[in-house]
Amino acid sequence: QITLKESGPTLVKPTQTLTLTCTFSGFSLSTTAVGVGWIRQPPGKALEWLALVYWDDDQRYNPSLKSRLTITKDTSKNQVVLTMTNMDSVDTATYYCARSTYPYNCFGPWGQGTLVTVSS
Amino acid sequence: DIQLTQSPSSLSASVGDRVTITCRASQSISSYLNWYQHIPGKAPKLLIYGASTLQSGVPSRFSGSGSGTDFTLTISRLQPEDFATYYCQQGYSGAYTFVQGTKLEIK
Repeated sequence: QITLKESGPTLVKPTQTLTLTCTFSGFSLSTTAVGVGWIRQPPGKALEWLALVYWDDDQRYNPSLKSRLTITKDTSKNQVVLTMTNMDSVDTATYYCARSTYPYNCFGPWGQGTLVTVSS
Repeated sequence: DIQLTQSPSSLSASVGDRVTITCRASQSISSYLNWYQHIPGKAPKLLIYGASTLQSGVPSRFSGSGSGTDFTLTISRLQPEDFATYYCQQGYSGAYTFVQGTKLEIK
């Protein structure tokens, strides 16, 4: 059974850096064609893909957010970490991590998500 | 950037109905089109990837078709648990865009 769980702060201040960790089980990030991605959904808005890391350490970023994002993997710990710098109120959203499959760049299964609020 | 347009934005249907949702890309994305179901309060669920491949564990009443710029998701016989929001997403290039989705409601 594949499970993923997001962890990190629920509240961050404007200009701070957000660090989120995705801890997963039931698959390995050393397996060919497997990846983990991050997706967010602001309240009342569409899903937005943020970043993705594949088994071969191929890191991909949403071009509109690339300068603020870093994604890393720790295969031995079954974890993927996303950092987002210079947080703003518009970054308030539910953040999800999900297993990804190459080459379709599809996402599933997903974690339950974590709501991050940006406020002073 | 590749733009996706999904229609309709909302849909009312009855249990047992056949429904079709369409997704159109602004340029060819080959078969790099994926479909998801999202029920409020739950994690989104991958239904179809590569335009037509059913994700493991997804009921066979869900099907996907299309290639290039035009794609469809069909639910052959609606069940009560299918009332949700459905999203298409392109995995071809750039921002791997999702769209606003189609909210499927009970008539």
